[in-house]
Amino acid sequence: AQSVTQPDIHITVSEGASLELRCNYSYGATPYLFWYVQSPGQGLQLLLKYFSGDTLVQGIKGFEAEFKRSQSSFNLRKPSVHWSDAAEYFCAVGATDSWGKFQFGAGTQVVVTP
Amino acid sequence: EAQVTQNPRYLITVTGKKLTVTCSQNMNHEYMSWYRQDPGLGLRQIYYSMNVEVTDKGDVPEGYKVSRKEKRNFPLILESPSPNQTSLYFCASSLTGLSNEKLFFGSGTQLSVL
Repeated sequence: AQSVTQPDIHITVSEGASLELRCNYSYGATPYLFWYVQSPGQGLQLLLKYFSGDTLVQGIKGFEAEFKRSQSSFNLRKPSVHWSDAAEYFCAVGATDSWGKFQFGAGTQVVVTP
Repeated sequence: EAQVTQNPRYLITVTGKKLTVTCSQNMNHEYMSWYRQDPGLGLRQIYYSMNVEVTDKGDVPEGYKVSRKEKRNFPLILESPSPNQTSLYFCASSLTGLSNEKLFFGSGTQLSVL
């Protein structure tokens, strides 16, 4: 069965500093990979996704993620964090051999300090 | 505006009192799904629907029912709510349900069962 692990429950970062959020997945093949962001009181919004091809993908709001097959990882990065990036971030996988089922990680809460 | 609308945003009820959380999308999406979000567990899929009259269980379906009589609506029914169903619920939709598609989320329903 597929699974997603986000090792960091909570990260505090200073405004202007870089940010990296970790995501590891367990799956028989390379799944479809996603990062979503949840701002306070809001639903989830897609930041970026990876299917195949270039292992570095660009998303919205200046985020990027790198797929590393050898490490089963799909880490999210941002070079310079803004106060508005404070939110909860979820990594998710979609199975390539079935429709309709998605697995989400437990989420990483990001706090941005002045 | 393309959106997924959930109602109500907040709901407090008592054990055993049947309730329905509504979900509607205006994007003509075939696929709809319900998730619950609990601290430390991320989002877990309850039920999903690939089209009208087609529904299937997700990872945590016990205690829930769904129906899909119209393409735009996908209500979540708790016939006899219990305190362990206190959670934040999200409805999501996508065009066809393919595992590489972006999910569109509603703003969530915070349910408290006393």
